Amino acid sequence: IQVTQSPASLSASIGDRVTITCRASQSISSYLAWYQQKPGKAPKLLIHGASSLQSGVPSRFSGSGSGTDFTLTISSLQPEDFATYYCQQSNSYPYTFGQGTKLEIK
Amino acid sequence: QVRLVQSGAEVKKPGASVKVSCKASGYTFTDYFLHWIRQAPGQGLEWMGWISPNSGGTNYAHNFQGRVTMTRDTSITTAFMELTNLQSDDTAVYYCARDVWARSSSGSFDPWGQGTLVTVSS
Repeated sequence: IQVTQSPASLSASIGDRVTITCRASQSISSYLAWYQQKPGKAPKLLIHGASSLQSGVPSRFSGSGSGTDFTLTISSLQPEDFATYYCQQSNSYPYTFGQGTKLEIK
Repeated sequence: QVRLVQSGAEVKKPGASVKVSCKASGYTFTDYFLHWIRQAPGQGLEWMGWISPNSGGTNYAHNFQGRVTMTRDTSITTAFMELTNLQSDDTAVYYCARDVWARSSSGSFDPWGQGTLVTVSS
């Protein structure tokens, strides 16, 4: 299953509301996760099951969608949110990731 | 707290093998699947497979079948990933990551190890 993210990069300001989209090549129900990765660090799980916030993740992050179309929303950007974001499907093997969205400061 | 600590960086020649370890602590090792994911320099993430530390059962991504072996040693709560016949395009950071569900694979990963850089160069 191919997973396509958009946009590939995004410039935004502190306090902005940001949405990243992920589209699967076939239905994956709600088997979608979102990760945040900062340079030189391992990815960090933000959302699993399309909309379940992982423990310890700030509530400004939210996920939605099912089937083939999904979104990650950050309600009010904070300085620590500038990073690369990946979606990942786990509906079928092999598990696959999107190509990433780099979120930069405007 | 739950923690995964991986072995150090490796430099290998083409055709060689590498074995990366992942030491788990802070939870019952046999309760959660461990996955291996790699990331080539400046590139995205690629899932390689999982191991059940309880049974030793494995599931490998097709791209790596025949070249990868995932094992575990429950006495030292450590998982291992061995990749053979290394080529230059195997140069990557290799991560282990715990599944979020107990006793099965949800396919969501948290936490991750710190990563192990494997460089393949002649």
